[in-house]
Amino acid sequence: ELKVEQNPLFLSMQEGKNYTIYCNYSTTSDRLYWYRQDPGKSLESLFVLLSNGAVKQEGRLMASLDTKARLSTLHITAAVHDLSATYFCAGHNYGQNFVFGPGTRLSVLP
Amino acid sequence: SAVISQKPSRDICQRGTSLTIQCQVDSQVTMMFWYRQQPGQSLTLIATANQGSEATYESGFVIDKFPISRPNLTFSTLTVSNMSPEDSSIYLCSVELPGASAEQYFGPGTRLTVT
Repeated sequence: ELKVEQNPLFLSMQEGKNYTIYCNYSTTSDRLYWYRQDPGKSLESLFVLLSNGAVKQEGRLMASLDTKARLSTLHITAAVHDLSATYFCAGHNYGQNFVFGPGTRLSVLP
Repeated sequence: SAVISQKPSRDICQRGTSLTIQCQVDSQVTMMFWYRQQPGQSLTLIATANQGSEATYESGFVIDKFPISRPNLTFSTLTVSNMSPEDSSIYLCSVELPGASAEQYFGPGTRLTVT
C-alpha cells in the first residue's frame, strides 16, 4: 500500500531565502504530483512528474523526482510572501487511487 | 484542464439532518472523486464515482452515510446523511482527465459545519 510522507510539516522562512520540501513514498509510484492550497481554497495543481529524473520549474518553484530513492522535492528559490500556502504531494499508481501526503504548511515572513 | 463548480459553497446544518452537495464539471469525464478534508488535515478519499456503475467506497466510508449519484458524465452528488459534528469538514470533488498524466482537478469545495 502506497504511503506518502512529507517533511517538514511546518516551515517558516524569511523572504529571499531558499528551502526544500521533501516527499517520500513507500512503494513504487507511477506518478507524483504537487498541489498548492491557499487557506479556505481548493487545491491547485502545480506539477506532474512522470518519470525518474523529471524536473519541472515554474517561477520560484522547482520539483524533481527520484524514483529509485522514492523521493520528490519541491525547491523554493528566493521565497516571497505570495508563496505562503500549504503544499501537498500525492502519489498515484495506474488503476489505483491518489494518496496524498500530510501537507507542508509554508509561511514566508517579510 | 477542467472547470469544476460545487454547490453549496458552505452550509451550517443541524445534527441529524442531511445535505446534498453537487459537483458540476464543464466537460465529460469518466472518473470523479469525492474527498473529505478535515480542518488542518490532508485529503481523505471517500469514494470514486464512475458514470454507469456503483460508487466505490474507501475503508471507513459507507453508502448509507455517504450516498453518491452519478447520473451523467458531467455531474455528481454526494449526500452526507444523519449528520453529526464529526462530519464538519470541507468536501471536495475532483475529476481525472484522460491522458498519461492522470492529473486530478479539484472543485472549490463545500465547507460544512454541523451544530
